[in-house]
Amino acid sequence: GAVVSQHPSRVICKSGTSVKIECRSLDFQATTMFWYRQFPKQSLMLMATSNEGSKATYEQGVEKDKFLINHASLTLSTLTVTSAHPEDSSFYICSASGRANTEAFFGQGTRLTVV
Amino acid sequence: LAKTTQPISMDSYEGQEVNITCSHNNIATNDYITWYQQFPSQGPRFIIQGYKTKVTNEVASLFIPADRKSSTLSLPRVSLSDTAVYYCLVGDNRNTPLVFGKGTRLSVIA
Repeated sequence: GAVVSQHPSRVICKSGTSVKIECRSLDFQATTMFWYRQFPKQSLMLMATSNEGSKATYEQGVEKDKFLINHASLTLSTLTVTSAHPEDSSFYICSASGRANTEAFFGQGTRLTVV
Repeated sequence: LAKTTQPISMDSYEGQEVNITCSHNNIATNDYITWYQQFPSQGPRFIIQGYKTKVTNEVASLFIPADRKSSTLSLPRVSLSDTAVYYCLVGDNRNTPLVFGKGTRLSVIA
């Protein structure tokens, strides 16, 4: 199947700093990418949908100024957690689908710990 | 709101066949049914996808009745490494995001 690569796989940052997470589709063009957050023992919660070249659509309750999403190319989307706080510590996962795909492919996830 | 309902957990012994059923009463005409497997601290991994009837690949089978309001994932001869959370999702997977339900936590016991 298609490959979606997420980087970094884990990051620890200090409170108040910003962290950027990259999501790349390695062998297909991802017209749409989705960002999820997952807390321990819980399911994945959709944060936002991004289409290449346009602004992301955020789910209710997700602050767009805190979680900046950029999808500037068909192979790369980034999620920046700005002014991170300990409550932002979570597992962040991206997924991508392309025009020719009927299934979505997921990255390996990024474990963010804010101290 | 998740569009699917699955059992929260299941236990099985190694070597047995495991069937996990998912209800999706409001499935749309354009929706596919897709199952993912997730291990701790990893992203979900695609298992199988179907639209109607039966689909089989090297790891699983997917049974979908004619009304498509439910589906059953069948894992033949499970092993300890199949212990994971299994998610059933419906959607067209293109512009519509996949909404995850709680999934089914499968525990395989030796």
